[in-house]
Amino acid sequence: KQEVTQIPAALSVPEGENLVLNCSFTDSAIYNLQWFRQDPGKGLTSLLLIQSSQREQTSGRLNASLDKSSGRSTLYIAASQPGDSATYLCAVEGGSEKLVFGKGTKLTVNP
Amino acid sequence: DAGVTQSPTHLIKTRGQQVTLRCSPKSGHDTVSWYQQALGQGPQFIFQYYEEEERQRGNFPDRFSGHQFPNYSSELNVNALLLGDSALYLCASSLLSGGTAGNTIYFGEGSWLTVV
Repeated sequence: KQEVTQIPAALSVPEGENLVLNCSFTDSAIYNLQWFRQDPGKGLTSLLLIQSSQREQTSGRLNASLDKSSGRSTLYIAASQPGDSATYLCAVEGGSEKLVFGKGTKLTVNP
Repeated sequence: DAGVTQSPTHLIKTRGQQVTLRCSPKSGHDTVSWYQQALGQGPQFIFQYYEEEERQRGNFPDRFSGHQFPNYSSELNVNALLLGDSALYLCASSLLSGGTAGNTIYFGEGSWLTVV
């Protein structure tokens, strides 16, 4: 059974800092890994999708890496801003479009 | 291009009642999945519908049932509501008939269900 763990559970940083969020998964037989953002009381917004054959994806100030063999992914956020404050969720797909999620990392960026 | 839309956004039900939640997938998508997200937790997969049939199911009791219509929209029904069913219910859409896994999955804003 696939299990996804995200560390840390919560993170508070000053504005402008670069930061890394971690995600690990137990079964390396995945099709892809997706990072989502969730604002309080809202749905999920897809940030980055990394296919199993890829090592990383970049979008603006976000960079996600994937090491499938070790079961790890990181989400790097450069020059953090207060608007980045949200919960970040990592999810893996093992096929057939079913996602297994971690519990998320709650990020607070202080002005 | 309309994304995934869900209704209602919030509702309150009493224990033992039944509830129906609705979802319209993103234009061009043919697959709808439902997830339950309890407070402080990650979303948990309930089930997935494709071609009007339940294609796969997570670890949820039979009180949770669903339906997909010919226009790909979907309903989630929960019978005999329990206090523990209080959660955010998320609908996700994707394109399965595209032939390859790994398409981005899009989520709606969710329906907040409170059972009292």
